[in-house]
Amino acid sequence: KNQVEQSPQSLIILEGKNCTLQCNYTVSPFSNLRWYKQDTGRGPVSLTIMTFSENTKSNGRYTATLDADTKQSSLHITASQLSDSASYICVVITGTASKLTFGTGTRLQVTL
Amino acid sequence: DAGITQSPRHKVTETGTPVTLRCHQTENHRYMYWYRQDPGHGLRLIHYSYGVKDTDKGEVSDGYSVSRSKTEDFLLTLESATSSQTSVYFCAISSTSVEELFFGEGSRLTVL
Repeated sequence: KNQVEQSPQSLIILEGKNCTLQCNYTVSPFSNLRWYKQDTGRGPVSLTIMTFSENTKSNGRYTATLDADTKQSSLHITASQLSDSASYICVVITGTASKLTFGTGTRLQVTL
Repeated sequence: DAGITQSPRHKVTETGTPVTLRCHQTENHRYMYWYRQDPGHGLRLIHYSYGVKDTDKGEVSDGYSVSRSKTEDFLLTLESATSSQTSVYFCAISSTSVEELFFGEGSRLTVL
């Protein structure tokens, strides 16, 4: 069964600190992996996409990594801001958008 | 922001009543999707459409039907709502089957 596991489930950090969110997947065949950010009461918004051949991709203060051999991805947030408080969802795609497998997300809270 | 409008945004109804949620897009994207989001679960696909009058089932389609008579509108119908259908429903669109999904703001449905 295709599964996407995210850890931790929730995380509280101080503003300005860094953090790393983890995503492990068993989805096969793998096409690509996306990280989405979902603010409370809003729909998810794509942060970055990782294809099979990519190891690292950055989007501002967000850096995603992918190890296709171990089927792990991480999202690193640098110098966190209050506006980073949200749920971060890992999504693995198997070739068509109808075959997406979503993780349950990591809820990040950034505090003063 | 992608032009996606969901209506209603909030609805409370009683068990056994029919409910229709509407998704309207102004992007002229070919693909449209309905997902539900529940605590402890990742987003789960209910139905999707790959063109006008072309729809297919997702992983949690029981109790739901959809229709797409125009490119811009995708309707989700609960013929007889049950308490297990209490959820937040998200519409999403994409230009191709493997491109980024753009999500609406969600419709919160409570079935009493």
